[in-house]
Amino acid sequence: DAKTTQPPSMDCAEGRAANLPCNHSTISGNEYVYWYRQIHSQGPQYIIHGLKNNETNEMASLIITEDRKSSTLILPHATLRDTAVYYCIVRVANYGQNFVFGPGTRLSVLP
Amino acid sequence: DAGVIQSPRHEVTEMGQEVTLRCKPISGHDYLFWYRQTMMRGLELLIYFNNNVPIDDSGMPEDRFSAKMPNASFSTLKIQPSEPRDSAVYFCASVGLAINEQFFGPGTRLTVL
Repeated sequence: DAKTTQPPSMDCAEGRAANLPCNHSTISGNEYVYWYRQIHSQGPQYIIHGLKNNETNEMASLIITEDRKSSTLILPHATLRDTAVYYCIVRVANYGQNFVFGPGTRLSVLP
Repeated sequence: DAGVIQSPRHEVTEMGQEVTLRCKPISGHDYLFWYRQTMMRGLELLIYFNNNVPIDDSGMPEDRFSAKMPNASFSTLKIQPSEPRDSAVYFCASVGLAINEQFFGPGTRLTVL
């Protein structure tokens, strides 16, 4: 799997948009970008994934640059419950393949 | 569906004792993963199964660790004998045929004294 680089921590004010960046400069053409988050003491939770087009669901939006070397996860209106570690993962969309979790970004949403 | 179920949620044992962690994947999912998470090493894959068959166990730390999946609805991770350095949160996750995402269980927090 291609490696990803994320900032170790970020702060965001409650109610504002949280923009979490991820660099994946060596991503291959058949690799997707996945985002998971882990709220304290819980198992990781799937958020969103995409290949090249921007994606949006009820939780977040995923913006992937045209060259696919980086992406941004956007939480449009962050709440205190969004405080978590966010993991950016790149992998081929073969459901049997392992997800390799890096250290992620610890997002703190502040009141 | 109740999601991935793990038991026990917490386990405290003494060094040298055998520990067995249990996992019930989501019904219909044919891949099952065991992870370990510590502050120092983060989230590490230990082993994963496809249709009850172990596919990759390269993450299993040593012979003290063993995992089985006797049927599609149950898996165990056993540590014998346990050591203090095995203290961690152990997660089980499952994936289905038409789904790209892993569903994680709540984890088992293991403390070996």
